[in-house]
Amino acid sequence: GEEVAQTPKHLVRGEGQKAKLYCAPIKGHSYVFWYQQVLKNEFKFLISFQNENVFDETGMPKERFSAKCLPNSPCSLEIQATKLEDSAVYFCASSQLLLRDKSNQPQHFGDGTRLSIL
Amino acid sequence: GENVEQHPSTLSVQEGDSAVIKCTYSDSASNYFPWYKQELGKRPQLIIDIRSNVGEKKDQRIAVTLNKTAKHFSLHITETQPEDSAVYFCAASKVWGGSNYKLTFGKGTLLTVNP
Repeated sequence: GEEVAQTPKHLVRGEGQKAKLYCAPIKGHSYVFWYQQVLKNEFKFLISFQNENVFDETGMPKERFSAKCLPNSPCSLEIQATKLEDSAVYFCASSQLLLRDKSNQPQHFGDGTRLSIL
Repeated sequence: GENVEQHPSTLSVQEGDSAVIKCTYSDSASNYFPWYKQELGKRPQLIIDIRSNVGEKKDQRIAVTLNKTAKHFSLHITETQPEDSAVYFCAASKVWGGSNYKLTFGKGTLLTVNP
């Protein structure tokens, strides 16, 4: 597709439950990034993939967060045993391979999933 | 790691005036600087970007300048219109390990354009 597609738009879970979010990158894009935007608008990087491979997971709270990008499937971000502090909007972004001069390519964002933990 | 500071946090201008938002970054290896506009409840939308081999870039009413020596870059919006009202984010990134690296965002500027 021509846009990053994220589902669901809104997800409500009770504290301690599991939450799973999905992202379909723009067709032909090789990189996928997940960001968390909390109430004060601040973006926090979580994890990035190059195709199916984890490229950078330095932002992931590893105890409860996991993510995958498998061939022919949307990427997913899963949170086990959710906490109130996980309430946020989770954005997925995708980008193409580097340009021929090895400079960065723009990241295009999806509409996000608003996760509410009650 | 990279740290991006953005100022001001809020900016109110009259329609037709110019608006300037400034950002500084800490990692001298950063070489890509996008600006995103985010309306309430919507996705961040890329409005302009600049790479470190360029000092200035313009697209109609929007321009971005970059000073690599001072490690700061700025967004300039001229002839502001009410539809320019939104939160604007600057960000910095680099190429690392042969791949696109994560974006480090500023904390955002809420721009209000008063009719």
